Amino acid sequence: AQSVTQPDIHITVSEGASLELRCNYSYGATPYLFWYVQSPGQGLQLLLKYFSGDTLVQGIKGFEAEFKRSQSSFNLRKPSVHWSDAAEYFCAVGAIDYKLSFGAGTTVTVRA
Amino acid sequence: GAGVSQSPRYKVAKRGQDVALRCDPISGHVSLFWYQQALGQGPEFLTYFQNEAQLDKSGLPSDRFFAERPEGSVSTLKIQRTQQEDSAVYLCASSLAGSSYNEQFFGPGTRLTVL
Repeated sequence: AQSVTQPDIHITVSEGASLELRCNYSYGATPYLFWYVQSPGQGLQLLLKYFSGDTLVQGIKGFEAEFKRSQSSFNLRKPSVHWSDAAEYFCAVGAIDYKLSFGAGTTVTVRA
Repeated sequence: GAGVSQSPRYKVAKRGQDVALRCDPISGHVSLFWYQQALGQGPEFLTYFQNEAQLDKSGLPSDRFFAERPEGSVSTLKIQRTQQEDSAVYLCASSLAGSSYNEQFFGPGTRLTVL
């Protein structure tokens, strides 16, 4: 069975600073990997996904993530955060079928 | 917009009451998923429909939970004899087809509080 660990429960970052959110997964085969963002009162929105090919994936809102098979990681990065990036971020892993397994999430606070 | 909608957005129930949560998926989406998100946790899979067929209900926590999608569109998640541990946000998602390759689009969720 697949599983996801997000080691950081909460991260505070200054506006304009860089952001990196960590994600480690456990899965026996090549995983499908996802990052979602959830703002208060909103559903989850897909930021980016990795299926195969280039291990550096670009997403929406200026986010990118890098798949590192040797480290079983799929960390999310943004070079310069905006106040609107304050939200909860979830990493998820999926198999060839439909079932997604989510991490517990990382809450990002952006200070002025 | 034509996103996934859920109703009600908030539901307060007394312990022992039955509740019904509705999900309207994106038109034309074959696959529909229900997730449960406890406070401070990520969503956890409950059940999956392809059209009207419930292909996977392995995540339903007990036989008090029942889901249906009789016409392959709107879905209802029913919880009988609610317990305090049922308090959570219930998320619905839909996708074009039932594969991780297809993006799941999520609704805003229904926050259930059981007193």
